[in-house]
Amino acid sequence: KAGVTQTPRYLIKTRGQQVTLSCSPISGHRSVSWYQQTPGQGLQFLFEYFSETQRNKGNFPGRFSGRQFSNSRSEMNVSTLELGDSALYLCASSLRIGDEQYFGPGTRLTVT
Amino acid sequence: DAKTTQPTSMDCAEGRAANLPCNHSTISGNEYVYWYRQIHSQGPQYIIHGLKNNETNEMASLIITEDRKSSTLILPHATLRDTAVYYCIVTMYSGGGADGLTFGKGTHLIIQP
Repeated sequence: KAGVTQTPRYLIKTRGQQVTLSCSPISGHRSVSWYQQTPGQGLQFLFEYFSETQRNKGNFPGRFSGRQFSNSRSEMNVSTLELGDSALYLCASSLRIGDEQYFGPGTRLTVT
Repeated sequence: DAKTTQPTSMDCAEGRAANLPCNHSTISGNEYVYWYRQIHSQGPQYIIHGLKNNETNEMASLIITEDRKSSTLILPHATLRDTAVYYCIVTMYSGGGADGLTFGKGTHLIIQP
């Protein structure tokens, strides 16, 4: 069974721009979570989607948003990029909310 | 979710068992202990989880003390590929919990040849 895939793997953007990251979960998994990883703050939870609905949200500003499609694929969007948004963005999928999570390789975003 | 305490780093010789401790003294009765690891530049990898009984799978064993205030992850025959940061996470639900997984700083396990 194929693992979690994320696209693109690397991205360079300029301050003020917006970016959309994509995640395809493991086949059959209906829950998708997003995390941000930085050297200073470590791994932090952004949000979780199940059945196209956001179920949980971490402590991030409204510039961070996401959505999930009927095929469970998910996208996250960051608007008005700031230098501090440079990070590894990780997507994880699970069969249901509350099950163990399987992570993708991440998207490395650099904001200049 | 209960807070966890792990050593910052540990060394282990290749081929030996690696025993990674985790303290979670404020764990409540319906909280699970989860272990994930992250190899450099990769996404975290699920290892194992448990509630109160010891658990074993193809990757590792999880030993939880009777009072559930601490646990140990055991990699029975460590290899160089086991060098990674290991995260012990306590969460209410069997998995993510209400606020997603809360990752601490973890233990950097270095397997020495």
